[in-house]
Amino acid sequence: GENVEQHPSTLSVQEGDSAVIKCTYSDSASNYFPWYKQELGKRPQLIIDIRSNVGEKKDQRIAVTLNKTAKHFSLHITETQPEDSAVYFCAASKGSNFGNEKLTFGTGTRLTIIP
Amino acid sequence: GAGVSQTPSNKVTEKGKYVELRCDPISGHTALYWYRQSLGQGPEFLIYFQGTGAADDSGLPNDRFFAVRPEGSVSTLKIQRTERGDSAVYLCASSLGDGDTQYFGPGTRLTVL
Repeated sequence: GENVEQHPSTLSVQEGDSAVIKCTYSDSASNYFPWYKQELGKRPQLIIDIRSNVGEKKDQRIAVTLNKTAKHFSLHITETQPEDSAVYFCAASKGSNFGNEKLTFGTGTRLTIIP
Repeated sequence: GAGVSQTPSNKVTEKGKYVELRCDPISGHTALYWYRQSLGQGPEFLIYFQGTGAADDSGLPNDRFFAVRPEGSVSTLKIQRTERGDSAVYLCASSLGDGDTQYFGPGTRLTVL
């Protein structure tokens, strides 16, 4: 089955600096890659996602890049703010082409923004 | 509109007891998923419903776990003969259809003493 690895497990950056979180996946059939933000005791919330037909997607301060050949994708947060502090999870799915919608998650990155 | 809701928010039970966890998906969402999240880990897939049927139950750890969605909306996750290792947050998610964004509920924190 699919295996998703995520690095780093913890990340501290100064407010205003950029943060990058990287994930690799094992199943070349995966074609949908969402990123979720989870604050302590809260539900995971989707912040951005990318499908395999594009290499990059951006939404204000957040961007995701995908390299299908290398089977890795990354989350980039620019101009970080204290409210960006949370645990971030990457995930991968084969999607509806295979009738297999389940998400396989990475182990998470605890991001701390230092004021 | 209303998001995914789950009840109860917390459940404490004793080893060997039976528990039921409920999920109310977003109205109109045909796909429903159950995940389990242990402390410090990412959510792990349990089961996926498309409509009333379980399209993929490959994540259920053993036959003590069972889930139903009889009318294609509300789902119940049932755990028999609970064990301490079942303690975790059980998350439910729903999506409009195949391949669409999954929206998560707040989870049920299950503690087995």
